[in-house]
Amino acid sequence: LAKTTQPISMDSYEGQEVNITCSHNNIATNDYITWYQQFPSQGPRFIIQGYKTKVTNEVASLFIPADRKSSTLSLPRVSLSDTAVYYCLVGDRVGSSASKIIFGSGTRLSIRP
Amino acid sequence: GAVVSQHPSWVICKSGTSVKIECRSLDFQATTMFWYRQFPKQSLMLMATSNEGSKATYEQGVEKDKFLINHASLTLSTLTVTSAHPEDSSFYICSARSSSPYNEQFFGPGTRLTVL
Repeated sequence: LAKTTQPISMDSYEGQEVNITCSHNNIATNDYITWYQQFPSQGPRFIIQGYKTKVTNEVASLFIPADRKSSTLSLPRVSLSDTAVYYCLVGDRVGSSASKIIFGSGTRLSIRP
Repeated sequence: GAVVSQHPSWVICKSGTSVKIECRSLDFQATTMFWYRQFPKQSLMLMATSNEGSKATYEQGVEKDKFLINHASLTLSTLTVTSAHPEDSSFYICSARSSSPYNEQFFGPGTRLTVL
């Protein structure tokens, strides 16, 4: 599985847009990029997945450049409730019968009033 | 999304005792379930993968005789921490993957184990 590198922590303020970048230089052709969110003392929750270009859902946007060696999770207008750890994963598409989710170190995002 | 539950949500036990944690998929059948362990301020570490009706596959470094996994039905998997010690204190999280064709994977809320 491709190794990912992301900032250990980030701070921001309510109402701001937050961008968390993840590096995955060794991403394979068939790999997808997936982001999970974990609140304290809870299990992770799927946020978004993409393969290339841009993906947007009701929670976030995922930007993937053409070389796919990095990706950026964008959270628009964050609130205090977005304080969590965000994990970037690279590997099988979620929904693949072969997938086994392996978590990296994650980014601890703290939102201040 | 689909719901995965864990029981208990927290447990405190004495050193040397065994603790069983249940993981249930409430509204779907899960042919595969996964068990993770998470220490404070650290990421989730995959411990094992269990398929209904067969033996679990353990990740390297995880003692299979220490962490007994049973996946007897399509909606229930159990993790038993045998002869627990304080260093086994951790947050244990399960996830369940629905059957084909969707293969979606959902995580439980976790179980906090404290061994005194």
